[in-house]
Amino acid sequence: KNQVEQSPQSLIILEGKNCTLQCNYTVSPFSNLRWYKQDTGRGPVSLTIMTFSENTKSNGRYTATLDADTKQSSLHITASQLSDSASYICVVSDRGSTLGRLYFGRGTQLTVWP
Amino acid sequence: EADIYQTPRYLVIGTGKKITLECSQTMGHDKMYWYQQDPGMELHLIHYSYGVNSTEKGDLSSESTVSRIRTEHFPLTLESARPSHTSQYLCASSDGQRKPHDYGGGDTQYFGPGTRLTVL
Repeated sequence: KNQVEQSPQSLIILEGKNCTLQCNYTVSPFSNLRWYKQDTGRGPVSLTIMTFSENTKSNGRYTATLDADTKQSSLHITASQLSDSASYICVVSDRGSTLGRLYFGRGTQLTVWP
Repeated sequence: EADIYQTPRYLVIGTGKKITLECSQTMGHDKMYWYQQDPGMELHLIHYSYGVNSTEKGDLSSESTVSRIRTEHFPLTLESARPSHTSQYLCASSDGQRKPHDYGGGDTQYFGPGTRLTVL
């Protein structure tokens, strides 16, 4: 069964600290993996996308890594800011019979305290 | 900020009422999507369109219906709302190649702000 599991479910950190969010998936065949940021009451916004051949991708203070062999990804946030408080969603796409189906994780709820 | 809009943002309505959730995008995208999201849970695709006059059911069975008469507009309708329909509904669009059963895996999807529906 194709699944995307994220950990931790929630995380509280102090402003200025770094954190790492995890994503494990069982989706096969694999096409790409995206990290989205979803602010409360808003729709998700794409942060990064990685294909099979890419193992790291940065977007400002956000750095995503991908290990396609172990089917794991992480999102590292550097020097956190209050505006980083949001849900971070891992989304994996397949290239199966239904071309480009998306599998969503439940997200990690990050809270940054001053 | 993506140019995709949803109205209303919040809706509280009684059981049995007919409702229409509006979604419009000004990016000229052919592909549009409706997702359902409960608190703390993953997004589930309920409807997909790859162009005018095309609609497909998504992975999650839904009693809602959609139409795509214009490229920029993709409304969702519930003929008779029930408490089980209480959820957040997110609309999205992408500019990927138009094709059936391609649920945007190769595209970057742009999401609207969502409509939070409560049925009493």
